[in-house]
Amino acid sequence: EAGVAQSPRYKIIEKRQSVAFWCNPISGHATLYWYQQILGQGPKLLIQFQNNGVVDDSQLPKDRFSAERLKGVDSTLKIQPAKLEDSAVYLCASSPGTGGYGYTFGSGTRLTVV
Amino acid sequence: AQKVTQAQTEISVVEKEDVTLDCVYETRDTTYYLFWYKQPPSGELVFLIRRNSFDEQNEISGRYSWNFQKSTSSFNFTITASQVVDSAVYFCALSEGWDSGYSTLTFGKGTMLLVSP
Repeated sequence: EAGVAQSPRYKIIEKRQSVAFWCNPISGHATLYWYQQILGQGPKLLIQFQNNGVVDDSQLPKDRFSAERLKGVDSTLKIQPAKLEDSAVYLCASSPGTGGYGYTFGSGTRLTVV
Repeated sequence: AQKVTQAQTEISVVEKEDVTLDCVYETRDTTYYLFWYKQPPSGELVFLIRRNSFDEQNEISGRYSWNFQKSTSSFNFTITASQVVDSAVYFCALSEGWDSGYSTLTFGKGTMLLVSP
């Protein structure tokens, strides 16, 4: 079974630029998550999708971050404009639904804002 | 609100020593799930175990074992006879609200384990 695919693997941008990350979940997984992991901390949820609807985006900084999951499959997370404090690893995860089974993370995108 | 505390920031051991990583959690739900993940230097999060709140049986998987105690809200992880390959950051995580379809993981800050030869 293919895992959660993310791209790019690394990205370096200047502050105030925009950036987008892509995630393709495991086939058939209804739920998709984006987490932000700042160096030295545990991952923190940014947004959760169930199919193509948003379940929870309470911790997404909506003034600069946006995410979409068209057709309930792959998803993109965008930052515009980026700030220095957005430097982090952005992890995508997917699961079949509730219950925690099969909760799988991708390898992440490491963003550096200079 | 849910919270996970991993008080040990970093642990150093010598190969073949046993090591226990502590995890204390807070939740108001009666139904919740606890997880442990391993994050090696390559960065991916590797799933180790999932435990639901109704199952307090301890679990052993090879050199790994987990001790879940609801009375103390703890879910500790022990590695027996540690190996250099066990060097990584280990995260404990909690999820509540599964019955309503809400399945966010709240992570602790992680414990960095360094196993030297």
